[in-house]
Amino acid sequence: SYVLTQPPSLSVAPGQTATIPCGGNSLSTYNVHWYQQKPGQAPLLLVYDDSRRPSGIPERFSGSNSVYTATLTISRVEAGDEATYYCQVWDASSDHFVFGIGTEVTVL
Amino acid sequence: QVQLQEAGPGLVKASETLSVTCSVSGGSISGYYWIWIRQSPGKGLEWVGYIHDSGDTNYNPSLKGRVSTSIDSSKSLLSLTLKSVTTADTAVYYCARGGRAVISAALEYWGQGILVTVSS
Repeated sequence: SYVLTQPPSLSVAPGQTATIPCGGNSLSTYNVHWYQQKPGQAPLLLVYDDSRRPSGIPERFSGSNSVYTATLTISRVEAGDEATYYCQVWDASSDHFVFGIGTEVTVL
Repeated sequence: QVQLQEAGPGLVKASETLSVTCSVSGGSISGYYWIWIRQSPGKGLEWVGYIHDSGDTNYNPSLKGRVSTSIDSSKSLLSLTLKSVTTADTAVYYCARGGRAVISAALEYWGQGILVTVSS
């Protein structure tokens, strides 16, 4: 089955840029979506189809997808960005939804 | 604004059947993919299954045929059933809306989730 690889954790200072990778075989051929989940809350869609933002999501959140790695970038990180971030795809070959393990972002 | 609301018993005994419903409001239930996801305490998101009112369904093979889903369009209600539960099935269960006709679309709307605890 298809696997998405994410680092389990990442730390970033306020005002800096957080770069969260999501790896997968031939990932550029998939539509990658990113979700933010804060403790006790449901996930929130941040980026869809690699790089598009839903209405209401700040421009500080951006996404890209290249060959084997998709990336979620959080610019000008704020304390409120502390959360776990998940990448997700639908794998056509297995007809399964796949999530990465999630990256817990800590703002120092 | 589309809203999803899960409901069900918070406690189920091991070997029994877990049933969760998801009420959809503010939008049509028809024509969309509806996805079930669960999250064990302190763990990541796990896809459980999906259903489309066309009859298209699929489930996580790790659930070994114990899971089924249904749609009641007249009531705007989704249902998830998981049989022969064990304590490993203790999780927050979420329903989410996928794409209208494209299964690869993102999950834009989520319910708040319901914690179901399986007691031994």
